[in-house]
Amino acid sequence: GESVGLHLPTLSVQEGDNSIINCAYSNSASDYFIWYKQESGKGPQFIIDIRSNMDKRQGQRVTVLLNKTVKHLSLQIAATQPGDSAVYFCAEFSGGSNYKLTFGKGTLLTVNP
Amino acid sequence: SAVISQKPSRDICQRGTSLTIQCQVDSQVTMMFWYRQQPGQSLTLIATANQGSEATYESGFVIDKFPISRPNLTFSTLTVSNMSPEDSSIYLCSVKGGTLSPDTQYFGPGTRLTVL
Repeated sequence: GESVGLHLPTLSVQEGDNSIINCAYSNSASDYFIWYKQESGKGPQFIIDIRSNMDKRQGQRVTVLLNKTVKHLSLQIAATQPGDSAVYFCAEFSGGSNYKLTFGKGTLLTVNP
Repeated sequence: SAVISQKPSRDICQRGTSLTIQCQVDSQVTMMFWYRQQPGQSLTLIATANQGSEATYESGFVIDKFPISRPNLTFSTLTVSNMSPEDSSIYLCSVKGGTLSPDTQYFGPGTRLTVL
């Protein structure tokens, strides 16, 4: 069936470096994507979203890139801080009458001081 | 964004018993969902809670095991019935369709359930 997956299950970076977390999706009909951050012991926190009519969207220190040609989504975090350490999930919505977000496996980001 | 609270935040239960989890939102929302997150895993949708009617369950989840209520636009409950150790998970309430951010889906803090 359709699925959302991640290339890298873990990512370790030095404080101050930029981080890139990748996500591949298989449903070409997906038209809305969200990145969530989940810290230990907490629920997922919305970071940024993007619609399929865009290829880039920027927030505070974060940028999401969407490449529909290869069905790839990435989250870039600038000047990564220890507080960015968490599991990051991408999620997709493929439309239809029954709204449902499908989540990827998640990437654990560890920021080393 | 909507502020979502869940009760209890965590519980340890004996097998064969049932636990009801409450989800309260500080504003009216169109859609409410219940997810399960097993240890170290991603999120799996259990069901969409429908106001005034039966919830819509995903494949692999049934009403007898996970009865859900949604009496109004700000409150829902999920019951985990006849629990077994395999039900040990984080259960998350999620909402969409608030007045401030109608397209964005937000999550509550989760309920951490351990079944002995």
